[in-house]
Amino acid sequence: AQTVTQSQPEMSVQEAETVTLSCTYDTSENNYYLFWYKQPPSRQMILVIRQEAYKQQNATENRFSVNFQKAAKSFSLKISDSQLGDTAMYFCAFMKRKNYGGSQGNLIFGKGTKLSVKP
Amino acid sequence: AAGVIQSPRHLIKEKRETATLKCYPIPRHDTVYWYQQGPGQDPQFLISFYEKMQSDKGSIPDRFSAQQFSDYHSELNMSSLELGDSALYFCASSLEVQGANSPLHFGNGTRLTVT
Repeated sequence: AQTVTQSQPEMSVQEAETVTLSCTYDTSENNYYLFWYKQPPSRQMILVIRQEAYKQQNATENRFSVNFQKAAKSFSLKISDSQLGDTAMYFCAFMKRKNYGGSQGNLIFGKGTKLSVKP
Repeated sequence: AAGVIQSPRHLIKEKRETATLKCYPIPRHDTVYWYQQGPGQDPQFLISFYEKMQSDKGSIPDRFSAQQFSDYHSELNMSSLELGDSALYFCASSLEVQGANSPLHFGNGTRLTVT
């Protein structure tokens, strides 16, 4: 079974500064995907960034980037130039890569990190 | 672009009543997932459907059932409601792609309150 661990229940950062959210996972799978989802107070679940495990290059999306360490099973999220709108709960999630011809499985979430961006 | 539509947005029921939550996936998406998120908790996978057939099952109570219809919309039926069923229920959809995973697109959720 796969597990996702986020060891930081809450974090805060000053506006315009950089913050890193930690995530570790445990799996015996070799092919999988990792995700960061953002859930603002509106409760909508928004995909921030996605990483495919077979890709060595770290994914980036504008101010968001990841540090993916496959051997260490670590997948941290860096938010640069933090903005007030980044205030949200951030969930790290895991999904097995589907077998050819099979259907994909579900997302397994960590417990989340509540990020507060302060003006 | 069209998103995943869930209805209703809010629902209040009493204990032992029945509730039905509906999910309309993004057009052409053939897979639907249901998640339950309790207060202050991470989303927990309940059940998923691909091409109208159940594809995976998680921690869904026996009091709950779900199905995906011919138009790909899905309904989650919850009976004998308990106080602990109060939660935000998310539906997500995706389009099956050969040889690769496709991202899940989440709806805005249905907040169920059981009193």
